[in-house]
Amino acid sequence: SSELTQDPAVSVALGQTVRITCQGDSLRSYYASWYQQKPGQAPVLVIYGKNKRPSEIPDRFSGSNSGNTASLTITGAQAEDEADYCCSSRDSSDNHVVFGGGTKLTVL
Amino acid sequence: QVQLQESGPGLVKPSETLSLTCTISGGSISTYYWSWIRQPPGKGLEWIGYIFYSGSTNYNPSLKSRVTISLDTSKNQFSLKLSSVTAADTAVFYCARGYYDFWSGYYLWYFDLWGRGTLVTVSS
Repeated sequence: SSELTQDPAVSVALGQTVRITCQGDSLRSYYASWYQQKPGQAPVLVIYGKNKRPSEIPDRFSGSNSGNTASLTITGAQAEDEADYCCSSRDSSDNHVVFGGGTKLTVL
Repeated sequence: QVQLQESGPGLVKPSETLSLTCTISGGSISTYYWSWIRQPPGKGLEWIGYIFYSGSTNYNPSLKSRVTISLDTSKNQFSLKLSSVTAADTAVFYCARGYYDFWSGYYLWYFDLWGRGTLVTVSS
C-alpha cells in the first residue's frame, strides 16, 4: 500500500491564504479527498474529486491535484478554520485506503 | 437525512474481541463502501477496512488477521470485530460511508458521511 505525506503543522494570519499539501504515489491515479477535524469532533469532508465541495462547505476552500501532490487552499482563512486537516486516497493496485498524517492549522 | 451511529462497549479487556455496530438511518446500503476508521488518542486517522454493499471486503493489511467486517442489510447495519485486542487498540472508532467512481481520467474516492465516533478503551 502507498502512503500520504503531510506537513505536521502550518500557520496562517487571519484573512490570509494558506495551502496545505499532501504527497503520495496514489495521487497520480486518485483525486485526494480532504477532511477537517476539530477537537472532539468527527472528521468532515471539505474537498473531493476535482475541486468539489459539499454544499455546506464555504467557497474559500478549494483543492487541486498535480502529479503526486494534492493541495488544499483556504483563501481568506477564518478563526473557525483552525483545525486538523487530513488527506485521503486509495491505492489503485490493492484498493487499500490511506490517510495522511494530518496537518494542524493554526490561524494567528 | 442519512445518519450513521456507532454502538458497542466502551471498555474491552486485553486479548478479548472488540465488537461495534454502525446503524444507517435514513438511507440505503446500496452503492457505497461501508467503512471503519479509528483514531488513537492524539494521533491520526487509520483505515481499518470496508465492506461493499455486495458483501465484498477489503482490510488494512496491518490489521487483516484480526478484523472482520460484516453487513446486515435487513437491519441496515454493518459491524466490526477486532480480535485479540491490546492497549494499542484503544481509540475512537468511526464508521463512515465511502464512495468510489472514475471521472475525467482519475479515480474518485471519499468518505462523505461519518458517525460521531465512539471511544473504545482496552484495559483490564
